[in-house]
Amino acid sequence: EVQLVESGGGLVQPGGSLRLSCAASGFILSDQYMDWVRQAPGKGLECIGRTRDKANNYITEYAASVQGRFTISRDDSKNILYLQMNSLKTEDTAVYYCAREEPRQGWNFDYWGQGSLVTVSS
Amino acid sequence: DIQMTQSPSSLSASVGDRVTITCRASQSISTYLNWYQQKPGKAPKVLIFAASSLRSGVPSRFSGSGSGTDFNLAISSLQPEDFATYYCQQTYRTPRTFGQGTKVEI
Repeated sequence: EVQLVESGGGLVQPGGSLRLSCAASGFILSDQYMDWVRQAPGKGLECIGRTRDKANNYITEYAASVQGRFTISRDDSKNILYLQMNSLKTEDTAVYYCAREEPRQGWNFDYWGQGSLVTVSS
Repeated sequence: DIQMTQSPSSLSASVGDRVTITCRASQSISTYLNWYQQKPGKAPKVLIFAASSLRSGVPSRFSGSGSGTDFNLAISSLQPEDFATYYCQQTYRTPRTFGQGTKVEI
């Protein structure tokens, strides 16, 4: 069974850092394109970052809103995806989801983590 | 970035009603359009991928149509568990972008 389990959220002051983890099971993480999606309180969904699979050299792309501050990485030995968030701003407050892309089905996001709340406040 | 615009932003309906939600892309996206359902406090779940393909396990009362720039999600007979927020998403280009959502209320 495919599962994505997130951890690492919490309260952080503006300018601080936080790292989210997304533990994958039921599939080989290195074979998949993965995304981070966030949802600010009461708002819609925003894709903030994407990493390609191992065959495509794990190339990463970021939304302009987080470019230069957020970094996606993987630990293939542990089957874990990470989102390192630096220089956090109050507007980064959101629930963060990791999600898997399925290229054989129109690249839809077929599995999602449960979400991890990040609150940036002094 | 490709902009996705959904209408309406919210709607009120009753159990048994037929409901249609529209999504428009700012440029042609072929059929790279997906529909998600999200309930409060939960992650989104995909209902329809590639504009009209029903994900395994999703009830057949959900259907999708369209290509190019204009797409529809239809629910043929609304059930109590269908009251939720629905999002369209394009996967034609990166960054993947979502519509602003349509809240379906009783």
